Amino acid sequence: RKEVEQDPGPFNVPEGATVAFNCTYSNSASQSFFWYRQDCRKEPKLLMSVYSSGNEDGRFTAQLNRASQYISLLIRDSKLSDSATYLCVVNKGGGFKTIFGAGTRLFVKA
Amino acid sequence: GAGVSQSPSNKVTEKGKDVELRCDPISGHTALYWYRQSLGQGLEFLIYFQGNSAPDKSGLPSDRFSAERTGGSVSTLTIQRTQQEDSAVYLCASSWAGGEQFFGPGTRLTVL
Repeated sequence: RKEVEQDPGPFNVPEGATVAFNCTYSNSASQSFFWYRQDCRKEPKLLMSVYSSGNEDGRFTAQLNRASQYISLLIRDSKLSDSATYLCVVNKGGGFKTIFGAGTRLFVKA
Repeated sequence: GAGVSQSPSNKVTEKGKDVELRCDPISGHTALYWYRQSLGQGLEFLIYFQGNSAPDKSGLPSDRFSAERTGGSVSTLTIQRTQQEDSAVYLCASSWAGGEQFFGPGTRLTVL
């Protein structure tokens, strides 16, 4: 089993739709969780950290489920500009190294 | 403050030549990562440095690849006897231990 696994993509959604991505991790000792966004031919950039209590930033909501070992990202009212690859990042339990998932590609269409 | 910088931004080389790619991390960051990304593909982890610990080299694809991090700061990724399949964007990232990774803009390597 991979240490970090994401929903296979691509997701094709119309503008205004709500879309959710899940990411599972294998090590129950993991403590740090992040969602990144990567645009075509650009480097990944932090979208949001994921806190135990869940957190929201505008149209984006991130949640952590420790019991089931997954994190989720919900995007409401999708915009064309949300089209990108979304990567989840989890720290390797028991250490400091953080590991990227393979990413899920999102296409938002008019 | 300054972010992560990488040089060169583009490198074109001939098959069989050696190349060196440089990464200047954010000052004070204890962790440094190297990744490789081919067009349309995901990030491929190469190597991880954390403080004074032995680096995690588990992602290096062959013994032609090596990396150093001098004085806990600047890092150099060296590829010996380059092959065409080495063509990719090489990304460097730095972070505090276990924290958010900040990426440089990458070096686009083309092996002819």
